[in-house]
Amino acid sequence: DADVTQTPRNRITKTGKRIMLECSQTKGHDRMYWYRQDPGLGLRLIYYSFDVKDINKGEISDGYSVSRQAQAKFSLSLESAIPNQTALYFCATSGGEINQPQHFGDGTRLSIL
Amino acid sequence: ELKVEQNPLFLSMQEGKNYTIYCNYSTTSDRLYWYRQDPGKSLESLFVLLSNGAVKQEGRLMASLDTKARLSTLHITAAVHDLSATYFCAVDGGGSNYKLTFGKGTLLTVNP
Repeated sequence: DADVTQTPRNRITKTGKRIMLECSQTKGHDRMYWYRQDPGLGLRLIYYSFDVKDINKGEISDGYSVSRQAQAKFSLSLESAIPNQTALYFCATSGGEINQPQHFGDGTRLSIL
Repeated sequence: ELKVEQNPLFLSMQEGKNYTIYCNYSTTSDRLYWYRQDPGKSLESLFVLLSNGAVKQEGRLMASLDTKARLSTLHITAAVHDLSATYFCAVDGGGSNYKLTFGKGTLLTVNP
């Protein structure tokens, strides 16, 4: 089983719909992150969380919200999806040790029509 | 604000050749990470570089870090087709946030 699991893997939806992307991990890491990847732009940080009571905005948080339901679960929501939120979304975890890289899930490909 | 710049963004190589990808960043940091991404796949960690002068090697790839120049390099030796992928560098701005700022990536294509 994957250490960082993202669901769904693919989603096509319409403008204005509410969407939730889920991430769960079995690595026991405290830190969890949501990134967005667009072609030619690399990965950009949306939100990050250090524990269930700590939520922080990243570089591009507008139009997104998150929920840290438990140490192992971190969800990303688009309250009212718009086409320019079409992207590949990654969840990542970190144990907070600089000699250990962030560990990424397999991604969710989201298309908004 | 930390900025990370990679170049080139696109690299087409012939098998057997050598080349270097550069990663420049704008603020002081001694935490730099290299990742590989195959098309449609997740990011796979390649190297963790945590001090000035750090050098790591794995197979045909070697990464180095010069914190004074704010520069990391990923050197490819005698490229093979299996190295075709997108390579990202990412810099941690420091402190306890462990936030990464990514470069835009270098799409490497190795041709026979």
